[in-house]
Amino acid sequence: GEDVEQSLFLSVREGDSSVINCTYTDSSSTYLYWYKQEPGAGLQLLTYIFSNMDMKQDQRLTVLLNKKDKHLSLRIADTQTGDSAIYFCAERGGNKLVFGAGTILRVKS
Amino acid sequence: DVKVTQSSRYLVKRTGEKVFLECVQDMDHENMFWYRQDPGLGLRLIYFSYDVKMKEKGDIPEGYSVSREKKERFSLILESASTNQTSMYLCASRQGYSYEQYFGPGTRLTVT
Repeated sequence: GEDVEQSLFLSVREGDSSVINCTYTDSSSTYLYWYKQEPGAGLQLLTYIFSNMDMKQDQRLTVLLNKKDKHLSLRIADTQTGDSAIYFCAERGGNKLVFGAGTILRVKS
Repeated sequence: DVKVTQSSRYLVKRTGEKVFLECVQDMDHENMFWYRQDPGLGLRLIYFSYDVKMKEKGDIPEGYSVSREKKERFSLILESASTNQTSMYLCASRQGYSYEQYFGPGTRLTVT
């Protein structure tokens, strides 16, 4: 079945760039997503990329997709303390989303 | 703005009780989903519904059932709560095959 894997923890200094990586198994995925979850809150869609794209940029966020290696990454430029959260990678095949376990991003000031 | 609301933020129930978790969305979305979130496991799909009275099992349906009598409301039912169902439960909705799925704030359920 589908599987999504991501590293569990990342610590960066304020002002540095953060890169969160994700690998997935379903080659028929149509969309790939990054969601953010702040403490005590639900999931907020940060950005998404359609499977026929290689890159998407949205302000401080850059998403890179390598379909050959089934690898997705999220780069956050100029990381701020407000970026501290859990980041979930997800793939969509058909009607369902499959989520990774989440990466805890800790930003040190 | 799309709004997905869940009936409770925190719930404490006893083992063996019947538990209802309610989810309401206000954007006439066809699809609604129930997930549970556990540390280190991410979100796992319990059930989803693509129309009124329609439901499909997700990856971990055992011990749960659902009800969708009206388009805007999707209920998750724990027929006999057990301690291993202590978790965060998240509801979501989506319009058709649109890219965006909207999440509610979650219900943290503790079964003692």
